[in-house]
Amino acid sequence: GAGVSQTPSNKVTEKGKYVELRCDPISGHTALYWYRQSLGQGPEFLIYFQGTGAADDSGLPNDRFFAVRPEGSVSTLKIQRTERGDSAVYLCASSPQPWTTTDTQYFGPGTRLTVL
Amino acid sequence: AQSVTQPDIHITVSEGASLELRCNYSYGATPYLFWYVQSPGQGLQLLLKYFSGDTLVQGIKGFEAEFKRSQSSFNLRKPSVHWSDAAEYFCAVELSGGGNKLTFGTGTQLKVEL
Repeated sequence: GAGVSQTPSNKVTEKGKYVELRCDPISGHTALYWYRQSLGQGPEFLIYFQGTGAADDSGLPNDRFFAVRPEGSVSTLKIQRTERGDSAVYLCASSPQPWTTTDTQYFGPGTRLTVL
Repeated sequence: AQSVTQPDIHITVSEGASLELRCNYSYGATPYLFWYVQSPGQGLQLLLKYFSGDTLVQGIKGFEAEFKRSQSSFNLRKPSVHWSDAAEYFCAVELSGGGNKLTFGTGTQLKVEL
């Protein structure tokens, strides 16, 4: 079946602009995660959805970042007033059974965001 | 706070040689442990994971990892490296209980010489 997909694959914007990044999880996966990967670093957790609600948003760096998952499937990460420091690859992952010990997160290819 | 250390930023090995990538974690209890591989333009792919039980874990592509509680380590190994193994490798931990965020190390870039 299809894996996690993310659109766009690349996004170039100007400082101060608003951007939206989309994630389509694997069908049937209840949990969805967003991570950010800066150059030369490992991914860093941003937010985790269980169904429609954000179960853990402790990784969002500030209030310019917001994410939604209104129908429990597709999620959108929204960044307001972008800054050059927001440039990174934004990764989305989904998992089928986050309440189990054997749960695994499956990652999408990411969206590379460049803020000029 | 939990943390993951991958002390080797870059490693170069010859094709056919053995490989060991190091990973140490800092956490009060035993977390769940993972190794992921990331090739250019590709998403992270899970190689293997440890939750409990046998401390030697087998994964895909001929990789294995051994959990050593006394050393807080989860090193990744492969007996014979193929050129296609060139990629970046990430160790990650997750708090026990599932449904939680992964904390990643900074990664080890593997280069394979033919």
